[in-house]
Amino acid sequence: DGGITQSPKYLFRKEGQNVTLSCEQNLNHDAMYWYRQDPGQGLRLIYYSQIVNDFQKGDIAEGYSVSREKKESFPLTVTSAQKNPTAFYLCASTATDTQYFGPGTRLTVL
Amino acid sequence: GENVEQHPSTLSVQEGDSAVIKCTYSDSASNYFPWYKQELGKGPQLIIDIRSNVGEKKDQRIAVTLNKTAKHFSLHITETQPEDSAVYFCAASMWSNYQLIWGAGTKLIIKP
Repeated sequence: DGGITQSPKYLFRKEGQNVTLSCEQNLNHDAMYWYRQDPGQGLRLIYYSQIVNDFQKGDIAEGYSVSREKKESFPLTVTSAQKNPTAFYLCASTATDTQYFGPGTRLTVL
Repeated sequence: GENVEQHPSTLSVQEGDSAVIKCTYSDSASNYFPWYKQELGKGPQLIIDIRSNVGEKKDQRIAVTLNKTAKHFSLHITETQPEDSAVYFCAASMWSNYQLIWGAGTKLIIKP
């Protein structure tokens, strides 16, 4: 099956901890994205990558970091500098302009 | 930069009636307009899209119309069913730009 996988589905973090969210795709897409979604809100872009070993900040990059060492993988680290990380995190990928989404990771800070 | 406005924020319709959601965009260079459906706790799924060289596109009960002059596009759902209840997002992008600019979403409620 081709698609985008995100893990874990649910993640709990204590204050002051860094956590890493996984995103993998086997669609052979060049571009990958991370979005944050708060309850009842739209999608806000955190980071995006159009090619391996390159990525750009989105609208709300502060407190987050990413890497793109492989075409298939685009992990997102939520650092302790992100003051309000509780949200639903969505990963997407595209070969042209149509973005395809993973199932999401719900992060809760305890 | 591009801005996309989406209305209404909530839409409640009787089962079997039609639903229309509208979006306006600001950048006339935008040429790709997708619509996504998001069910509770899931990632958005593409349901239909349209490009600027087309005025209307249909897929069974779903249609999208584009008015480039007025810079707005609309999602039309006919014969609504309970499974159509979800949040719908519109977006816009330019061909050479890999980024989508998103609307704020519309919560569609289908009343039995």
